[in-house]
Amino acid sequence: ETGVTQTPRHLVMGMTNKKSLKCEQHLGHNAMYWYKQSAKKPLELMFVYNFKEQTENNSVPSRFSPECPNSSHLFLHLHTLQPEDSALYLCASSQEDSLEQYFGPGTRLTVT
Amino acid sequence: GEDVEQSLFLSVREGDSSVINCTYTDSSSTYLYWYKQEPGAGLQLLTYIFSNMDMKQDQRLTVLLNKKDKHLSLRIADTQTGDSAIYFCAESITVAGGGNKLTFGTGTQLKVEL
Repeated sequence: ETGVTQTPRHLVMGMTNKKSLKCEQHLGHNAMYWYKQSAKKPLELMFVYNFKEQTENNSVPSRFSPECPNSSHLFLHLHTLQPEDSALYLCASSQEDSLEQYFGPGTRLTVT
Repeated sequence: GEDVEQSLFLSVREGDSSVINCTYTDSSSTYLYWYKQEPGAGLQLLTYIFSNMDMKQDQRLTVLLNKKDKHLSLRIADTQTGDSAIYFCAESITVAGGGNKLTFGTGTQLKVEL
């Protein structure tokens, strides 16, 4: 039990679809993160939010649109994705200045 | 620039020690981490070390840091089959505005054989 949940766990979508990934943390943290994990590549940081404000956008294409309505919830809105966007998308949270990031189980995304 | 490198695979026998190595390039890293990922799961923080330390021990885990060579290692004593997983090395810098930016290696797949 990590305290960070992600839904859905698996998602298959076409290139013209619009879908959203959801992350929720029950740990009282105020920083949240999206990461992309592709096969045989390092885990890539996509976005950082601190107190609902985006503090880092790691040159992510605009077809990925994050939303953080409050410190407990983080969304990743997806539209017109490409097959190379297929990956495991991991959410994490931490206290602002904490050393420890707690990860969710991830959403396995397949773009067809 | 930021770059973290690890070997991709390591195979050991149950009961032996495992040593997973990592090299990094960013000398401004404040902390270095080891995460574990089991199949179908997210990443679990195992341990971390502050950049001005050279060793940290936590039960079966020993972390060694050579800051001069930018080399980090994780030693697992008495390796068990439950230790089979992917191990990620990561370095962190603080993000302006809050939060920590982690740069991960590609991960080392540890296989423990009976």
